[in-house]
Amino acid sequence: GDSVTQMEGPVTLSEEAFLTINCTYTATGYPSLFWYVQYPGEGLQLLLKATKADDKGSNKGFEATYRKETTSFHLEKGSVQVSDSAVYFCALHGGSNYKLTFGKGTLLTVNP
Amino acid sequence: DAGITQSPRHKVTETGTPVTLRCHQTENHRYMYWYRQDPGHGLRLIHYSYGVKDTDKGEVSDGYSVSRSKTEDFLLTLESATSSQTSVYFCAITTRRDRVDGYTFGSGTRLTVV
Repeated sequence: GDSVTQMEGPVTLSEEAFLTINCTYTATGYPSLFWYVQYPGEGLQLLLKATKADDKGSNKGFEATYRKETTSFHLEKGSVQVSDSAVYFCALHGGSNYKLTFGKGTLLTVNP
Repeated sequence: DAGITQSPRHKVTETGTPVTLRCHQTENHRYMYWYRQDPGHGLRLIHYSYGVKDTDKGEVSDGYSVSRSKTEDFLLTLESATSSQTSVYFCAITTRRDRVDGYTFGSGTRLTVV
């Protein structure tokens, strides 16, 4: 079945540091890939997405590129802010079924 | 989130008691989902619905049942709550199952079983 593996957290960075959160997936067919963000006490919000190979999703300074050859969708940001502190989830949709499958989440803490 | 409300937001219950969580939407979306979130597991699908009275199991459905008698309401019931069901429960909605960015999540229900 479909699965998503993302790097274990927590990740702690200083403000303005470079961020990478790794995500790899296993799926049949041609899934779409997502990053969701969850701020403390809230539900999940879509951060960015990519629907086909080599697509780059971007939003709020975050980027991720759909790499079919490495089955990866790593999240990056060049300069993180304290307000980026949250849990980040990698997810896929439309592999073997039409439901979202999530990774385990990565807690990011950014210190001033 | 706008258009989707979960209730209650917090609940503490005793082992062995029945508990019902409610997800209410005002978007008239066809598809509704219940997920649970646990540390080290991410979000896991419990049950989902693809229309009134049409539901199916997700990957962690044991100990849970659902009902959907109206488009706007999707109820999750723990027939006899256990400590392993202590979790944060999220409801999500979408218009079409193949709509890749159409999932809207509720704010969650934090359930503690003591």
